[in-house]
Amino acid sequence: EVQLVESGGGLVQPGGSLRLSCAASGFTFSSYWMTWVRQAPGKGLEWVANIQQYGRDKFYVDSVRGRFTISRDNAKNSLYLQMNTLRVEDTAVYYCARDDCRGGNCYPNFEYWGQGTLVTVSS
Amino acid sequence: QSALAQPPSVSGSLGQSVTISCTGTSSDVVSYNRVSWYQQTPGTAPKLIIYEVSSRPSGVPDRFSGSKSGNTASLTISGLQAEDEADYYCISYTSSSTIYVFGTGTKVTVL
Repeated sequence: EVQLVESGGGLVQPGGSLRLSCAASGFTFSSYWMTWVRQAPGKGLEWVANIQQYGRDKFYVDSVRGRFTISRDNAKNSLYLQMNTLRVEDTAVYYCARDDCRGGNCYPNFEYWGQGTLVTVSS
Repeated sequence: QSALAQPPSVSGSLGQSVTISCTGTSSDVVSYNRVSWYQQTPGTAPKLIIYEVSSRPSGVPDRFSGSKSGNTASLTISGLQAEDEADYYCISYTSSSTIYVFGTGTKVTVL
């Protein structure tokens, strides 16, 4: 059974940093791109970032580029999101999901999701 | 990259059909058959219900169908059921540096 479990959320002040983790199991983690999606309270979904199987290629939404860094450790079956210079508008539930990139093309077919972890940026 | 445009809400009676539109641009919906749809109920993670415009994952009822014409992708729910009451989001691949863009989301209410 595929499982994705996020952790690392919490309350942080504006300008602060936080690192989210996503522990994967039930599939060959190193064979898949992985993605982060967030959802602000009462708002819609926003794609945040994704990463190629071996971390060579990474893509980001414009609003986090330069502040957030996606990474992974295939030996630990884990995905990470390092979030720096956090803003109030980064407050959201952050989900990790298995991405679907093949043959050099990416498809937004996120079949498996974690339960999400809440990040609150507030003074 | 702006979010794809969806109507904020649609409603229908039990057994009726509803259609949700998802309007994009030449950078996304028009140029790529890489549009997916997600269903989300409160407090839960989104669930994939349509991928690559019109394909259904196993286990998704066939009352959910997807299509695309020009700059608009559509999700149709036929024979609306009470359990279909949820938020629905489209998402497309985009040629911009962002690579994926979600729609604004649509709340479906079953009357």
